[in-house]
Amino acid sequence: DTEVTQTPKHLVMGMTNKKSLKCEQHMGHRAMYWYKQKAKKPPELMFVYSYEKLSINESVPSRFSPECPNSSLLNLHLHALQPEDSALYLCASSPTAGGGTYEQYFGPGTRLTVT
Amino acid sequence: GIQVEQSPPDLILQEGANSTLRCNFSDSVNNLQWFHQNPWGQLINLFYIPSGTKQNGRLSATTVATERYSLLYISSSQTTDSGVYFCAVLEWPGSQGNLIFGKGTKLSVKP
Repeated sequence: DTEVTQTPKHLVMGMTNKKSLKCEQHMGHRAMYWYKQKAKKPPELMFVYSYEKLSINESVPSRFSPECPNSSLLNLHLHALQPEDSALYLCASSPTAGGGTYEQYFGPGTRLTVT
Repeated sequence: GIQVEQSPPDLILQEGANSTLRCNFSDSVNNLQWFHQNPWGQLINLFYIPSGTKQNGRLSATTVATERYSLLYISSSQTTDSGVYFCAVLEWPGSQGNLIFGKGTKLSVKP
C-alpha cells in the first residue's frame, strides 16, 4: 500500500481563523513533507520532517506551523493566513530523507481558499 | 542550486499518437521521479528512475545520469493521459530530501 491520505480535501477559511491540515501514512516511512502548489506552478517545498524532527524549513512564514506527533502523522496548523496563501497543499512521505531510497509518495492534497 | 528544465511546456496530441517528454538537470542527482498530476491535483508516481530504463504499460522512461537528462515516452496516448507531467530531482550530495520540480509539461490528448 503506497497511500498517503490528507484531510480535509477542501478548506475555506477567513483570515482570522485557525485551522489544521492533516496527513497520514502507514508505509513505515520516516520522512514526511509539506509542499505548497500555486495554480499553474510546480510544487514548492515548505517543510521536511525526518524521524519526527524538523530538518528543513524553507523560510516559511510563522503563520504556518508544522507538527509531527508521531512517525505516521503530520499536521500543518494555519493561523492568520492571507489570501495569497490560497493554494493546493500537498503532503508526501518517503522511506528516508538522508540516505537510501528517496522515492516520495504524495497525498491527494488539500485545496485551501483564504477569504 | 540545481536547475530542472522540462520540454515542451505544452503538448497537444490526437488520441493514439506517441510522444516524448524531456527533462534536463544541471547537476548530479540521487533521485529522479516522473509524476502525472491529474485535473484534481493528485500527483501520481509514474517512475522512480535515477538511472537506466523502465517500462510500465504504455509508458516508459530513460535516465542518462552522466548526460543529465531523462525522457518519458507515452505510446498510444489516451484522453486519460491528459494533465501535467512533472520531473523532479534530488541533488547529490547534500540533499535532505527536498525534491526540485521542473515547471512541467501540460499534455492535452484530444479524442
